[in-house]
Amino acid sequence: DAGVTQSPTHLIKTRGQHVTLRCSPISGHKSVSWYQQVLGQGPQFIFQYYEKEERGRGNFPDRFSARQFPNYSSELNVNALLLGDSALYLCASSSDLGQISNQPQHFGDGTRLSIL
Amino acid sequence: AQKVTQAQTEISVVEKEDVTLDCVYETRDTTYYLFWYKQPPSGELVFLIRRNSFDEQNEISGRYSWNFQKSTSSFNFTITASQVVDSAVYFCALSVRGSNYKLTFGKGTLLTVNP
Repeated sequence: DAGVTQSPTHLIKTRGQHVTLRCSPISGHKSVSWYQQVLGQGPQFIFQYYEKEERGRGNFPDRFSARQFPNYSSELNVNALLLGDSALYLCASSSDLGQISNQPQHFGDGTRLSIL
Repeated sequence: AQKVTQAQTEISVVEKEDVTLDCVYETRDTTYYLFWYKQPPSGELVFLIRRNSFDEQNEISGRYSWNFQKSTSSFNFTITASQVVDSAVYFCALSVRGSNYKLTFGKGTLLTVNP
């Protein structure tokens, strides 16, 4: 079975531009979460979606938005990019929010975003 | 709020040595889960283990073992007879019921195993 897949793998943008990152969860998983990992730090929670509804949001500005589609894939959008948005963006999927099975979140390889 | 502290930023050992990675967590929630993830240079976070707050039984899986102690809010990870392939960044993480089980990570410990 395929794991969590993210695209693109790498991306270079300039300040002020907009970016869309994509994530396909493991088949059967209904929850998708996004994390930002700045170099040398642990991942920081951005968003959590379950059954196409936002279930959690981290401490990130409104320039960050996301959505989940009927097939449970997800997009993360970032507007007005800043140099500080340079990071590895990780997507994770799980079968639920943990209220039933608490299966661990499984992560994709990430999208490495560089802002020039 | 939840917090995870990994006091060791970097650890360097010689192959076949045992190494313990420390993790201390903070939460007021009584229902929570603790995790260890491994991140090799490729970047993917690899799930290693999960323990819930109601099960303090320690676990051994091959060369890996975990020591969960609620009294000290610690969840330490030991690699026995380390190998070069164990070189990676290791993250301890916490998820609590009150936050829909989102993961809170520590800053990670870079483990380098030298031949």
